[in-house]
Amino acid sequence: DAKTTQPTSMDCAEGRAANLPCNHSTISGNEYVYWYRQIHSQGPQYIIHGLKNNETNEMASLIITEDRKSSTLILPHATLRDTAVYYCIVRRPFNSGGSNYKLTFGKGTLLTVNP
Amino acid sequence: GAVVSQHPSWVICKSGTSVKIECRSLDFQATTMFWYRQFPKQSLMLMATSNEGSKATYEQGVEKDKFLINHASLTLSTLTVTSAHPEDSSFYICSASEQGDHQPQHFGDGTRLSIL
Repeated sequence: DAKTTQPTSMDCAEGRAANLPCNHSTISGNEYVYWYRQIHSQGPQYIIHGLKNNETNEMASLIITEDRKSSTLILPHATLRDTAVYYCIVRRPFNSGGSNYKLTFGKGTLLTVNP
Repeated sequence: GAVVSQHPSWVICKSGTSVKIECRSLDFQATTMFWYRQFPKQSLMLMATSNEGSKATYEQGVEKDKFLINHASLTLSTLTVTSAHPEDSSFYICSASEQGDHQPQHFGDGTRLSIL
């Protein structure tokens, strides 16, 4: 799987948009971009994923650049409960053969939302 | 939808005992489940891939005889830490995904294991 690069930490003011970048310059054509977050002492929570089009759900928006080498997760109105480690992961589809559908977690970005 | 339940949430036991952790997909069937381990201030590390009706696939460096995995049904996988020692103390997390090529994995809330 393609490796990803994320900033170690970011701060955001409560109520403002949080924009979390991720670089995945070696992404392959069939690899999806997934975002998860982990609040302290809990299991990771799925946020959103996409292939090449921008995606939006009730939690966040995912903006993927046209060349797919980077993406940005947007939390439109951050709250204190959004403080967590955010992981950007690229992964091949389940049927791609071998074990490439596994998720490989990096160190992620610690987002701290301040009051 | 797509809820994964893990039990127990935490367990404390003496060195040398075996501990079983259950992972259930509550509202979907999962032919494949995953088991991770997370040490303090570190990221999740995949231990093994659990396949319904067949043997689990272990990651390099993970002892299959120490970490027994059983995936007897489409909604239940178990991880048994045999003869646990203090160095096995960790946060164990399972995940599962619905059918489909790019369906996301959903995670349980984890099991905090402390071996005295």
